[in-house]
Amino acid sequence: ILNVEQSPQSLHVQEGDSTNFTCSFPSSNFYALHWYRWETAKSPEALFVMTLNGDEKKKGRISATLNTKEGYSYLYIKGSQPEDSATYLCAFPEAGTALIFGKGTTLSVSS
Amino acid sequence: GAGVSQSPSNKVTEKGKDVELRCDPISGHTALYWYRQSLGQGLEFLIYFQGNSAPDKSGLPSDRFSAERTGGSVSTLTIQRTQQEDSAVYLCASSFSTSSYEQYFGPGTRLTVT
Repeated sequence: ILNVEQSPQSLHVQEGDSTNFTCSFPSSNFYALHWYRWETAKSPEALFVMTLNGDEKKKGRISATLNTKEGYSYLYIKGSQPEDSATYLCAFPEAGTALIFGKGTTLSVSS
Repeated sequence: GAGVSQSPSNKVTEKGKDVELRCDPISGHTALYWYRQSLGQGLEFLIYFQGNSAPDKSGLPSDRFSAERTGGSVSTLTIQRTQQEDSAVYLCASSFSTSSYEQYFGPGTRLTVT
């Protein structure tokens, strides 16, 4: 059974702070690594799908890196804004099929 | 274009009753997934459909749960003889093909079993 671990479980920052979260996943049989943002009362929204070791992806103030050899990915948010408040999920496809999700990092940004 | 839709948005049912949850994926997406989130838990995989292949049912928690996908499009998740532990938000997602593609999630169905 795959285990996808995320840390920290929750995080509270002030507006303007930069922050980062970690996702750990099995380093063997790597297929892809997904990041999603899940805002309260909304559906999870895809941020990135990363497939290559060393991948770095960016969307606005949010970026992510991937290390498949050691089995981790970092998600960075630069200059956090209140609208960034959400739960950030990473997910790893088991046997290349359905996603196994971590429990997420819940970010709260105060203005 | 239209996203993934799910119905109903909320369902309250009595213990022991059967329920059906519906998912309409994005047109052209061959992969369809069902997940659920129970209170205090993460997203849990239930079942996966890919094209005309046999579904991956490995995540279904018991034989009271079943799902079908008709014509490669709409899917129905059925829970028979509901139990209180079935209370959760049930999410459907679709993607273009395999899991190297991002998944698009529906708004979910909140199921409450009383």
